[in-house]
Amino acid sequence: AQSVTQLDSHVSVSEGTPVLLRCNYSSSYSPSLFWYVQHPNKGLQLLLKYTSAATLVKGINGFEAEFKKSETSFHLTKPSAHMSDAAEYFCVVTRLDLYNTDKLIFGTGTRLQVFP
Amino acid sequence: GAVVSQHPSRVICKSGTSVKIECRSLDFQATTMFWYRQFPKQSLMLMATSNEGSKATYEQGVEKDKFLINHASLTLSTLTVTSAHPEDSSFYICSALKEQTGYGQETQYFGPGTRLLVL
Repeated sequence: AQSVTQLDSHVSVSEGTPVLLRCNYSSSYSPSLFWYVQHPNKGLQLLLKYTSAATLVKGINGFEAEFKKSETSFHLTKPSAHMSDAAEYFCVVTRLDLYNTDKLIFGTGTRLQVFP
Repeated sequence: GAVVSQHPSRVICKSGTSVKIECRSLDFQATTMFWYRQFPKQSLMLMATSNEGSKATYEQGVEKDKFLINHASLTLSTLTVTSAHPEDSSFYICSALKEQTGYGQETQYFGPGTRLLVL
């Protein structure tokens, strides 16, 4: 069965310092993996996605994630945090249903706080 | 772009009444839409998959008679919470699947969510 585990429920960083949000996945086949961000009162926004192409995936707003099959990880990083990065981040893996439709399985989320 | 809207953004209703939530893909057609539920400070749980022109498929444990889904056109799916009770209070989020060229290029775009409070 497909699942993701976000290892930290909360991460706090100072503005200008690096961000690391950790995610481990479990999948019985080659997965598609995503990171979504949820700002208060706004819809979920796709940051980046991995679909078996390059293992280092660059996303929007300076975020990137590296797919490491040997470690079953897909950690999200950013070299320098900005105040506007404060939000809830979800690591997501796909699950194929009986109709071959990709369904999203969400992790429990990591709340990123950025201090001035 | 790919914009998905939801209406209403917030609704308060009395116990026993029904509430309809609309999900629209504004600038693309979506054969498939999804409905999720999110409890406070928790993750999103997939409730059902909505397919244009056919019956929705529900995840295990989701009551199909409680949560009626209609996907009448390629840009509109509706979720009706029937005979709502306080335990149905939650944040409901829809997404629309945008198909793009190439294998594995489908992407779900999410609406802003609807907060339902049942008194």
